[in-house]
Amino acid sequence: AQSVTQLDSQVPVFEEAPVELRCNYSSSVSVYLFWYVQYPNQGLQLLLKYLSGSTLVKSINGFEAEFNKSQTSFHLRKPSVHISDTAEYFCAVSEGTGKLIFGQGTTLQVKP
Amino acid sequence: NAGVMQNPRHLVRRRGQEARLRCSPMKGHSHVYWYRQLPEEGLKFMVYLQKENIIDESGMPKERFSAEFPKEGPSILRIQQVVRGDSAAYFCASSPKDFYEQYFGPGTRLTVT
Repeated sequence: AQSVTQLDSQVPVFEEAPVELRCNYSSSVSVYLFWYVQYPNQGLQLLLKYLSGSTLVKSINGFEAEFNKSQTSFHLRKPSVHISDTAEYFCAVSEGTGKLIFGQGTTLQVKP
Repeated sequence: NAGVMQNPRHLVRRRGQEARLRCSPMKGHSHVYWYRQLPEEGLKFMVYLQKENIIDESGMPKERFSAEFPKEGPSILRIQQVVRGDSAAYFCASSPKDFYEQYFGPGTRLTVT
């Protein structure tokens, strides 16, 4: 069955330090992969997506994620975080049937 | 282009009452999805609808919950005879196709007292 595992529930990091949020998935078919960000009491915003093509995808605010098919992973990275990056991050996978399967979420806490 | 709209943003119901949550998809989107986020948990898929059709309701509780997306008007998630365990944030998302990225609304936070 399709599932997503986010290995860290909380990641504390100091401002301007690099960060990696890990995501692994299980699926027997080809998948589409997404990272969403949720700020307190708000909805989810699409941060990154992998549909096909280059396995390295980047966002406009400095995040990037790499699809690794052999490792079944889609880890999210940023070389230098800001206070404003503090939020909850969700990894999600779709097998093309419509529904998204989400991980449990990782809370990124950026400290000054 | 307005985003996905949900109303109300906050809804308080007493046990046994009915809750109706509304979702208007982005312009040009004909696919709507509902998800539920329980406290300290991730989002769980509930139902996937196209205009006048339920495509996948594998995540819907068997009783008390129903959803529709009529030809005209918003999608409605209806919860009858609410219980305290229904307290959660309910998010609607829309997409132009069923396997591309989904765009989420701000959510409706349901509190059952």
